[in-house]
Amino acid sequence: GAGVSQSPRYKVAKRGQDVALRCDPISGHVSLFWYQQALGQGPEFLTYFQNEAQLDKSGLPSDRFFAERPEGSVSTLKIQRTQQEDSAVYLCASSQGPGINNEQFFGPGTRLTVL
Amino acid sequence: DQQVKQNSPSLSVQEGRISILNCDYTNSMFDYFLWYKKYPAEGPTFLISISSIKDKNEDGRFTVFLNKSAKHLSLHIVPSQPGDSAVYFCAASKTGGYNKLIFGAGTRLAVHP
Repeated sequence: GAGVSQSPRYKVAKRGQDVALRCDPISGHVSLFWYQQALGQGPEFLTYFQNEAQLDKSGLPSDRFFAERPEGSVSTLKIQRTQQEDSAVYLCASSQGPGINNEQFFGPGTRLTVL
Repeated sequence: DQQVKQNSPSLSVQEGRISILNCDYTNSMFDYFLWYKKYPAEGPTFLISISSIKDKNEDGRFTVFLNKSAKHLSLHIVPSQPGDSAVYFCAASKTGGYNKLIFGAGTRLAVHP
């Protein structure tokens, strides 16, 4: 389809393992966002890319979280040395541009469970 | 510090009646507000938005009302249908930036026949 896709859909990791979550935005979308949604909560902003530039990473909870979008399309969110509190759904969203009139389209998310 | 609050975790409404979902915000810098709808195992999908220069925006069965002085907005769904059963998130943003969204915790709406 032409929507935002994320892989894997589900990931189980043992505490201390590294994980990599992938986001394929809608083709041609300049803006890409990562959000973290804990159980029973709304999505919380993690980081924002405009093309390949990471313009805001203020929401990343610790230096164990790292995101990249090297060619301005696919993005990867990496979590090193996972902890139980990292268990959440990680949502990726893309939009045509940065302004408020540009709708953010969300992917289905990756559900990460850290044991 | 929750800047966007949805104080009702759940709401149950009979089919055909009105559903009213509420949202409060604390940051007076927010000037653009959105509602998203989420089904299980799917990402949120945009439903309707409103700019702070308006107090009402309508799209079919969905109407959003904004009361800036009270820092309160509400989503009205009339008439409610079983397919409206989902989690509804209120979100806020500021113009001039890149549209970083601040979400509430969501309200689960159940529309029963």
